[in-house]
Amino acid sequence: DTGVSQNPRHKITKRGQNVTFRCDPISEHNRLYWYRQTLGQGPEFLTYFQNEAQLEKSRLLSDRFSAERPKGSFSTLEIQRTEQGDSAMYLCASSIQGTSTDTQYFGPGTRLTVL
Amino acid sequence: LAKTTQPISMDSYEGQEVNITCSHNNIATNDYITWYQQFPSQGPRFIIQGYKTKVTNEVASLFIPADRKSSTLSLPRVSLSDTAVYYCLVGISGTYKYIFGTGTRLKVLA
Repeated sequence: DTGVSQNPRHKITKRGQNVTFRCDPISEHNRLYWYRQTLGQGPEFLTYFQNEAQLEKSRLLSDRFSAERPKGSFSTLEIQRTEQGDSAMYLCASSIQGTSTDTQYFGPGTRLTVL
Repeated sequence: LAKTTQPISMDSYEGQEVNITCSHNNIATNDYITWYQQFPSQGPRFIIQGYKTKVTNEVASLFIPADRKSSTLSLPRVSLSDTAVYYCLVGISGTYKYIFGTGTRLKVLA
């Protein structure tokens, strides 16, 4: 399967714990995006990477959130000191620069439940 | 403030054509408008994308007026399996940010 993959698919944690999610984009896609989707709502933009550079961050990405893409391939999203309000689906998407359309393709998401 | 709105829900019968409109008031000048389908507990699935006028692929058509402040997704002859939530996605002018529409829950009835 050459689509976007995300791990884990589900994560249950207790309030105050740290969690880390991983996203593997489609091969050769140099653009990577993270979104958050709460139940019944549309996805909300969190951050954007072009290669290894983080070029855009939403105000939703508080100090407890950090995203990295160290070698311009996979990316990680870490949430420190989780809160119940962090419970959501975290979606990753990738696209390739250089095409006129820059279509974002999404992974299956990681569902986070904070108890 | 960028805002992207869609009708909350629509019902349709199998075999009918469904049109879903998205209004986007602050779309990035050079960015495309993309539509996605989403089933529960899955990531959004790409349907169609366009910049202006009309685009058609094997599953849908997309109509975009000259001012690009709205777009309409057209699904011909829907089936029960098209029951899902549909979102538009646009880039925000002057940023690398993207904004999804509010989503339209389509229910196809037999």
